[in-house]
Amino acid sequence: DAGVTQSPTHLIKTRGQQVTLRCSPISGHKSVSWYQQVLGQGPQFIFQYYEKEERGRGNFPDRFSARQFPNYSSELNVNALLLGDSALYLCASSLTGRYEAFFGQGTRLTVV
Amino acid sequence: KNQVEQSPQSLIILEGKNCTLQCNYTVSPFSNLRWYKQDTGRGPVSLTIMTFSENTKSNGRYTATLDADTKQSSLHITASQLSDSASYICVVSAGEYGNKLVFGAGTILRVKS
Repeated sequence: DAGVTQSPTHLIKTRGQQVTLRCSPISGHKSVSWYQQVLGQGPQFIFQYYEKEERGRGNFPDRFSARQFPNYSSELNVNALLLGDSALYLCASSLTGRYEAFFGQGTRLTVV
Repeated sequence: KNQVEQSPQSLIILEGKNCTLQCNYTVSPFSNLRWYKQDTGRGPVSLTIMTFSENTKSNGRYTATLDADTKQSSLHITASQLSDSASYICVVSAGEYGNKLVFGAGTILRVKS
């Protein structure tokens, strides 16, 4: 069984650019959540989607947006990148979003 | 404000020894508490998950406890191995759907021979 897959694994962008990160949940899971993990800190909640609807949003600026597709995969978009956006971006999938969450390996974004 | 605090920040122990990691939380409404293990640069891997009514849960050499009254949890690792070296993160789920995960900063454990 494939776990949660994220792409790309690594990414380097320039300040001001836009980036799209992708996540495919475990088959059968309908909930996808996104987290930002800055080096040395715990992950911070960005968004959660369930059945293609936004169920929760963390304290992030409007430059961050996400969506979930009919096949339950998800994209996280970040516009007007700042140096501070450099982080490991984690995607987690779960059946409903309430209990067990399985994380992908993450996308390491570096903004220069 | 929803917060999860962990202690110690880091810990070094000898292989074969036991250790206990602590977690205090102020999260409402509380849904469940989880412990994750995270290797550097990789996604967290779940160790245990406990709901309000559960006091203890084990997963091999890992045993987690939860005191919902004092809002404290601990993770006990027995007979540590070199492969236990990682960051251990306490996570409390909150929000209307129990879907908003609030992460602690983690305890960095290093097991040396």
